Amino acid sequence: KAGVTQTPRYLIKTRGQQVTLSCSPISGHRSVSWYQQTPGQGLQFLFEYFSETQRNKGNFPGRFSGRQFSNSRSEMNVSTLELGDSALYLCASSLWTEFQDGELFFGEGSRLTVL
Amino acid sequence: SQQGEEDPQALSIQEGENATMNCSYKTSINNLQWYRQNSGRGLVHLILIRSNEREKHSGRLRVTLDTSKKSSSLLITASRAADTASYFCATGLTQGAQKLVFGQGTRLTINP
Repeated sequence: KAGVTQTPRYLIKTRGQQVTLSCSPISGHRSVSWYQQTPGQGLQFLFEYFSETQRNKGNFPGRFSGRQFSNSRSEMNVSTLELGDSALYLCASSLWTEFQDGELFFGEGSRLTVL
Repeated sequence: SQQGEEDPQALSIQEGENATMNCSYKTSINNLQWYRQNSGRGLVHLILIRSNEREKHSGRLRVTLDTSKKSSSLLITASRAADTASYFCATGLTQGAQKLVFGQGTRLTINP
């Protein structure tokens, strides 16, 4: 079956703009999380959603927001972009249950460059 | 902040040799996972070991976990050129949570 799909794959924005990234999880996966990867800070957790509810949030400013739709698709938004927001944004989905540890399936990422 | 520290940061070996990467973490965990990433692409899950397990195998991979030392190691046996990638350990602090804390990764290069 199809993997995690992220769009767009590449995008360039300028400071002050906003951006919306989209993620379609693997069919049947109801849990979606987002990570930011930069050379300096590495992989950092942004948010986690399950059944349209945010279960966890990482230590990022309020400019970073997300949501999940009833079909489990998720979007994240970054407003008032800063140069430091340039990163690879990775989405992951899993078959989450509170009684089971599951692997995360990652998409190929959306590479954001802020000029 | 990063939970894990990986050692070494970079490793270069000959094809056919074994590669060992180490990961240390700071807090109690529910599970520890290893992922592979090829050249800035998505991460691929390799193996998960729970806090009550000490060793796990999957094909050419062997993972150990020492919770008393808060450390884990990943051994790749009989390495191949296709194993060239970055390898990350990630700790899950609570059961079932998707919130993982990643280490900085080890860049592995397999020379033909």
